[in-house]
Amino acid sequence: DVVLTQSPLSLPVTLGQPASISCRTSQSPEHLNWFHQRPGQVPRRLIYKVSDRDSGVPDRFSGSGSGTDFALHISRVEAEDVGVYYCMQGTHWPYTFGQGTKLEIK
Amino acid sequence: EVQLVESGGGLVQPGRSLRLSCAASGPKFKDYATHWVRQKPGRGLEWVAGIFWEGGGTGYADSVKGRFTISRDKAQNSLYLQMNSLRVDDTAFYYCIRDDLPGGAGYWGQGTLVTVSS
Repeated sequence: DVVLTQSPLSLPVTLGQPASISCRTSQSPEHLNWFHQRPGQVPRRLIYKVSDRDSGVPDRFSGSGSGTDFALHISRVEAEDVGVYYCMQGTHWPYTFGQGTKLEIK
Repeated sequence: EVQLVESGGGLVQPGRSLRLSCAASGPKFKDYATHWVRQKPGRGLEWVAGIFWEGGGTGYADSVKGRFTISRDKAQNSLYLQMNSLRVDDTAFYYCIRDDLPGGAGYWGQGTLVTVSS
């Protein structure tokens, strides 16, 4: 199975400041996605195929990377960005997720 | 817009069975995969099983292989998960997920809670 390792697992950020989450994979996936889950809600996809932003996702969110190193960037964190972020690969079965990164406001 | 609605969750004793359903509506689906993903209380996301909508090919996580069976009814536009020999460790929210593109997992249902307890 493809292992996805996220860091950091906890991310305290000041409002208006940038934030980045890393996702390292044990194999190279073409389909690397990012999800955001607010407390008590269903995960929502933000980014697909490494860097394509989903419809309705603010442009402060961006994805980057290649090979086995990927990242999610938030240019200016807003209060609604709190929650847990997961990377996920959908190239190899089984689909696998990272452990999750909890973003909170300082 | 694709909508996925799960049902069938509930409280069940260890060793018993439960069948989850996922009713899909919206535009006709391409031959992408549909999956069950679960989230144990306070934990992360875990892929459980997947099936290709047209061809019917399936895959399972090692943790459920031999106990769970995924299936679909194309005419009813429905996905199922037959869960046998349930364990306390299977307690989780179970989400029905549809690929909107290969490997995309773009569509999610609201989830159904399965609680395995004596």
